[in-house]
Amino acid sequence: GEDVEQSLFLSVREGDSSVINCTYTDSSSTYLYWYKQEPGAGLQLLTYIFSNMDMKQDQRLTVLLNKKDKHLSLRIADTQTGDSAIYFCAESSKENTDKLIFGTGTRLQVFP
Amino acid sequence: EPEVTQTPSHQVTQMGQEVILRCVPISNHLYFYWYRQILGQKVEFLVSFYNNEISEKSEIFDDQFSVERPDGSNFTLKIRSTKLEDSAMYFCASSTGQGTGELFFGEGSRLTVL
Repeated sequence: GEDVEQSLFLSVREGDSSVINCTYTDSSSTYLYWYKQEPGAGLQLLTYIFSNMDMKQDQRLTVLLNKKDKHLSLRIADTQTGDSAIYFCAESSKENTDKLIFGTGTRLQVFP
Repeated sequence: EPEVTQTPSHQVTQMGQEVILRCVPISNHLYFYWYRQILGQKVEFLVSFYNNEISEKSEIFDDQFSVERPDGSNFTLKIRSTKLEDSAMYFCASSTGQGTGELFFGEGSRLTVL
């Protein structure tokens, strides 16, 4: 079945780049997503990439998609303490693009 | 900015009791969802709802669960007879249904079953 895997924790120094990785199983997913959850808040869509793209850049965020290896990554340049949050990778179900399959989330901790 | 709101933020209940979790989706959204996250596990899809009926449900969403949109603004999840394993954070979400997967999530309702 569809599955998404992420590492649980990442710790980086302020100003460095963060790279959060994700692997997924369903090669027919139309979209792949990164959601962010700050403490006490709901999941917020950060960015998404269409499956026929291999890269998407949005200000400090770069998403890389390797369809052959079913690997998705999120790079945050110049990481700030305000970036500390849980980052969820998700893929859309092949039957329904609004039904998302999430990973466990990666907790990013940024220290000064 | 419009947002999805959920109540209660935390509910503690005894096993076997009924629980209703409430959500107010964004007003012009047409699709509504419940997801849950058991502590330390993945966020799991429970159910999607469109045009006043369930459009899809997962195998988790058994006969103990039901959803309703009673008054055109609220969207509720009812668990008829709670079990210990129902303890989780329950997230409501809504979307315009344009197929991009951009779901707007609430802050979640934490359910603790004792």
